Amino acid sequence: DAGVIQSPRHEVTEMGQEVTLRCKPISGHDYLFWYRQTMMRGLELLIYFNNNVPIDDSGMPEDRFSAKMPNASFSTLKIQPSEPRDSAVYFCASSIATGGWTEAFFGQGTRLTVV
Amino acid sequence: AQSVTQLGSHVSVSEGALVLLRCNYSSSVPPYLFWYVQYPNQGLQLLLKYTSAATLVKGINGFEAEFKKSETSFHLTKPSAHMSDAAEYFCAVSEGYQKVTFGIGTKLQVIP
Repeated sequence: DAGVIQSPRHEVTEMGQEVTLRCKPISGHDYLFWYRQTMMRGLELLIYFNNNVPIDDSGMPEDRFSAKMPNASFSTLKIQPSEPRDSAVYFCASSIATGGWTEAFFGQGTRLTVV
Repeated sequence: AQSVTQLGSHVSVSEGALVLLRCNYSSSVPPYLFWYVQYPNQGLQLLLKYTSAATLVKGINGFEAEFKKSETSFHLTKPSAHMSDAAEYFCAVSEGYQKVTFGIGTKLQVIP
């Protein structure tokens, strides 16, 4: 398997524009996570899905952020409108639950810069 | 609520010296604890995990960590640092579910 695939790797956009980040989890994994990493706040969990259903979105900072998982092989994180303070590295991770905790595999991240 | 505190955002050690990265956790139930490593421009990779079995956990690349309930600690150690160990290390906690909370991270610098 190619691992968790995120696109794009880098995104530069102007303030006010819509940004869509994409993630393809590892085939067969039933959990998908979106994290945001910044120097000031470290790695924050934004939202996670189980079997394509959002389970906990308490980490989503504002209504400008939304995430979807239309099927088991694809998820998006959308920011509309984007602001400079959204600049960060966004990671997607996936895992499979086998009766206990199992390792979450991370993608390489999308570095978002909002100017 | 679960949380972890990593003591020291930057740690420098000489090549060949002991690596000690500190982590204290807070959890309302017996936790699962993890250490992840992040190399530049990469995602996070699991180093090791504690899931209520042996309190001394061995991971990849010669790292190990000891779970101490009385101290609510899960410090990461390696007897001899290599240049390739330079990276950022994250301690994390989970209360038995898939939701994992990460610490702020500790950047390890290895000095030749």
